[in-house]
Amino acid sequence: GAVVSQHPSWVICKSGTSVKIECRSLDFQATTMFWYRQFPKQSLMLMATSNEGSKATYEQGVEKDKFLINHASLTLSTLTVTSAHPEDSSFYICSAGGQHNQPQHFGDGTRLSIL
Amino acid sequence: RKEVEQDPGPFNVPEGATVAFNCTYSNSASQSFFWYRQDCRKEPKLLMSVYSSGNEDGRFTAQLNRASQYISLLIRDSKLSDSATYLCVFQSGAGSYQLTFGKGTKLSVIP
Repeated sequence: GAVVSQHPSWVICKSGTSVKIECRSLDFQATTMFWYRQFPKQSLMLMATSNEGSKATYEQGVEKDKFLINHASLTLSTLTVTSAHPEDSSFYICSAGGQHNQPQHFGDGTRLSIL
Repeated sequence: RKEVEQDPGPFNVPEGATVAFNCTYSNSASQSFFWYRQDCRKEPKLLMSVYSSGNEDGRFTAQLNRASQYISLLIRDSKLSDSATYLCVFQSGAGSYQLTFGKGTKLSVIP
């Protein structure tokens, strides 16, 4: 069964709307979670590392004020795309795990379409 | 040199064929290696980890060559359901959980 749950799986909304995506670890506590973005026919690109109880670490070129990350508990991280525009349309995926050289597990992904 | 290089394909093979993918990496600090499978419009799913001694899981065999800095995936007796994009993934050690992804190799198994 799934060990990482992501919600919602599909969002279609108007330009200017803010969208919140949730990522939950189901069977374990995750002090660190990761947020990726994948454009069509491209690889996953790490956006940010979400750290429980502290600020997220953003990759170069990712606007922290645009993509707000909150990791308030050991099982939940949220990504909020603020004032989304059509160019933000993408497939957003979270992952958790990876301690002790174990593989990470991915959420189902959220397909975001901004009209 | 790119951090991860992977032939994008597509590899079009008939059912029952054997197909192999390679993936090279430039970061010698990479310590953990994985193959993930991603179906169209879906999230990546772990296919198998890659161990130094090589490892096999049914029809799938993974190998690691640290000296030449590449990993490989061999699929025997291809099934239609093997059609997907295969991502090579590396994780650096020293407590970092950050993964580096290849762009993926697309495999289409044809009846």
